[in-house]
Amino acid sequence: DAKTTQPPSMDCAEGRAANLPCNHSTISGNEYVYWYRQIHSQGPQYIIHGLKNNETNEMASLIITEDRKSSTLILPHATLRDTAVYYCIVRVARTGTASKLTFGTGTRLQVTL
Amino acid sequence: NAGVTQTPKFQVLKTGQSMTLQCAQDMNHEYMSWYRQDPGMGLRLIHYSVGAGITDQGEVPNGYNVSRSTTEDFPLRLLSAAPSQTSVYFCASRQGIYGYTFGSGTRLTVV
Repeated sequence: DAKTTQPPSMDCAEGRAANLPCNHSTISGNEYVYWYRQIHSQGPQYIIHGLKNNETNEMASLIITEDRKSSTLILPHATLRDTAVYYCIVRVARTGTASKLTFGTGTRLQVTL
Repeated sequence: NAGVTQTPKFQVLKTGQSMTLQCAQDMNHEYMSWYRQDPGMGLRLIHYSVGAGITDQGEVPNGYNVSRSTTEDFPLRLLSAAPSQTSVYFCASRQGIYGYTFGSGTRLTVV
């Protein structure tokens, strides 16, 4: 699975959009980009995933560059409850064999008043 | 629909004791896995399973055993607890290309 690079920390004012970048320059054509977050002491929570098109769900939007070497997770209106560590993970979405998540150190997002 | 249920939530063991961490999911997910998370660190994969009767090792399997006799259950057994196994343990499951669903964790202290 491709390696990812994320900034260690970011701040965002409540109500503003939080844009979390991820670099995955060695991504392969069949690898998906997944985003998870972990709020203090809780289990990680799946947010969104995508292959090459931009994706949006009720939690966030995922923007993947045309060359797929980087992506941005957007929380459109950040709240204090979005304070968490955000993990960008790239992996092949195998359906018949083993598939695991490799977590890096992520980005610690602090949302402030 | 309870998702992924882990028991117990907290446990204190003495060095050398054995115990089983329970994990159950009610989503009929094919894949299940166990991770550990040490303070200030990311998650590390211990063992995983791609279906009933099939298990394999992850990054840090030493000192742990798993079995998968049913789709729903994936228990993690500590053979002889050591202080180095003090950690938070998360169980997770998924189906297809979708994201993993994680349990709320078991906080284990070995003294």
